[in-house]
Amino acid sequence: NAGVTQTPKFQVLKTGQSMTLQCAQDMNHNSMYWYRQDPGMGLRLIYYSASEGTTDKGEVPNGYNVSRLNKREFSLRLESAAPSQTSVYFCASSDGLAGGGTQYFGPGTRLTVL
Amino acid sequence: AQSVTQLDSQVPVFEEAPVELRCNYSSSVSVYLFWYVQYPNQGLQLLLKYLSGSTLVKGINGFEAEFNKSQTSFHLRKPSVHISDTAEYFCAVTRGGSNYKLTFGKGTLLTVNP
Repeated sequence: NAGVTQTPKFQVLKTGQSMTLQCAQDMNHNSMYWYRQDPGMGLRLIYYSASEGTTDKGEVPNGYNVSRLNKREFSLRLESAAPSQTSVYFCASSDGLAGGGTQYFGPGTRLTVL
Repeated sequence: AQSVTQLDSQVPVFEEAPVELRCNYSSSVSVYLFWYVQYPNQGLQLLLKYLSGSTLVKGINGFEAEFNKSQTSFHLRKPSVHISDTAEYFCAVTRGGSNYKLTFGKGTLLTVNP
């Protein structure tokens, strides 16, 4: 099993450009998440999807949109990138209900916005 | 809302020495607690978690943590570290029940020196 995969691994954008980060999991998990990681800030939740067909805002949703395409895939879209969105983005999926499940993380996408 | 404080941003130790990474949480309700590890240029992976039951939790790679409800702490320990334990360690908390949001601390960089 590949686990959680993310594409692309690296991306450089100019201010105002748009892009979609792709995430897929092959573990048949119901819940999926998008985080951003910045130095000294830990991981902050952008959006999550508790189950197929539902999405909810996390701690830092401004400037982002998400789509839960099906049970396997959960994409993150930046409509108009800003330098403040320079970060490492991680997708995760979870194997349990009610918050106690383990989250499995992808390898990350390193995004630079110039 | 829950929050997590990791008291040390960096912990340098020598190989084969014991180590403790400190984590305190705040929440007015019952919680689930996690420790994740991030090796350089990788995603996070679960070390151990406390959901209920015994307050001493054993994880992978010889790590263990103790849940202390009265002190609202969940410190991570290892009796003898190896060079390969060099990584960033994140404590995380979520509210027990139906809450899917995981709140991470800012991380502790453990550096093991020869």
